[in-house]
Amino acid sequence: EVQLVESGGETVQPGGSLRLSCAASGFTFSNTWMHWVRHGPGQGLMWVSRINSDGTSTRYADSVKGRFLISRDNAKNTVYLQMNSLRVEDTAVYYCGKDDLGGIRHWGQGTLVTVSS
Amino acid sequence: DIQMTQSPSTLSASVGDRITITCRASQSISSWLAWYQQKPGKAPNLLIYKASILESGVPSRFSGSGSGTVFTLTISSLQPDDFATYYCQHFNSYSATFGQGTKVEIE
Repeated sequence: EVQLVESGGETVQPGGSLRLSCAASGFTFSNTWMHWVRHGPGQGLMWVSRINSDGTSTRYADSVKGRFLISRDNAKNTVYLQMNSLRVEDTAVYYCGKDDLGGIRHWGQGTLVTVSS
Repeated sequence: DIQMTQSPSTLSASVGDRITITCRASQSISSWLAWYQQKPGKAPNLLIYKASILESGVPSRFSGSGSGTVFTLTISSLQPDDFATYYCQHFNSYSATFGQGTKVEIE
């Protein structure tokens, strides 16, 4: 059974940093692209970032480019999202997702990031 | 970047109604489009991928069509469990942009 478990969300002040983790199991992690998606309060879903299977290619939404960094450790079956220079508007539930042929079939339960002074 | 525009943003309907949600891409995306259903406090649920392929376990009242720049999600007979928010999402090698979402409400 595919499982994705996010962790690391908490309340942080504007300008602060946070690292989210997503631990994966139940599939061949090292063969799989992974995504981060967020859902802000009263907002729609926003794709944040993706990483290819060996970590050599990464992409970001314009609003987080230069502030967020996606990475992975295939030995630990874990994908990370390092978030720097956090803004109030980054407040959201952050989900990791497994890329499956043009759709995200499997999602984690989400981890809440609150940016507030 | 490719932009995805969904319409309508809100749709009021009754049980048994047939409804259609439209998603437009700012440029051709072939068939690289997925549809999701999301309920409050839950992760999204994949309904359709590659524009028209029904995900396993999803009721057959859901269907997707389109290619290029215009896509639709149709629910043939709305059920109580279908009142939720629906999103389209485009995938390419650079990004995976969502539409703004369509909230389906009880009329």
